[in-house]
Amino acid sequence: DIQMTQSPSSLSASVGDRVTITCRASQGISNDLGWYQHKPGKAPKRLIFAASSLQRGVPSRFSGSGSGTKFTLTITSLQPEDFATYFCLQHNNYPPTFGQGTKVEIK
Amino acid sequence: EVQLVESGGGLVKPGRSLRLSCATSGFTFGDYAVSWVRQAPGKGLEWLGFIRSKTYGGTTEYATSVKGRFTISRDDYKSIAYLQMNSLKTDDTAMYYCTGGLRLDYWGQGTLVTVSS
Repeated sequence: DIQMTQSPSSLSASVGDRVTITCRASQGISNDLGWYQHKPGKAPKRLIFAASSLQRGVPSRFSGSGSGTKFTLTITSLQPEDFATYFCLQHNNYPPTFGQGTKVEIK
Repeated sequence: EVQLVESGGGLVKPGRSLRLSCATSGFTFGDYAVSWVRQAPGKGLEWLGFIRSKTYGGTTEYATSVKGRFTISRDDYKSIAYLQMNSLKTDDTAMYYCTGGLRLDYWGQGTLVTVSS
């Protein structure tokens, strides 16, 4: 199975900050990666697909980059509604595997 | 609006069975693969398996950890997917999510399964 190593596991940030979260794959996965936002009690919501494509309706402050083994989710100018857990998912190889998640908390 | 709503979770004794349902709306269910994913307390997300759309044979694939115990099925007329879980173990305690799409495009909010005597 492909291992997805996500970092950091948590971070504290203020409204307006720029936040960067990274996922590294144990082998190349092309751009077969998605980023998700998950709030407690809610359905996880995909923000980015194909590593860098913004899901329709998702604010442009979210962006994704990377290919192969290293991927990044960036939130420019963090907003109050962005405090949540974020995780990556690779679907290049079965089984699909997930990063461990990054909890973004208010500083 | 796309919605997936899981139900059927609850407290069950080890060795027993449980069937989860995933009711969907807002997309053409029959065109989508459906996966089930779980997250045990304090652990990461684990993909359990998926069922292809009828166009691709409606066949299933499973994670090694649940193969032979869990079965995924679908009713395209009702736009519902199911996860039949047999011989449940305490390690199966988790929040269970259904997802739509091969790339896990859409998710439900989950249903909690607790396996305990």
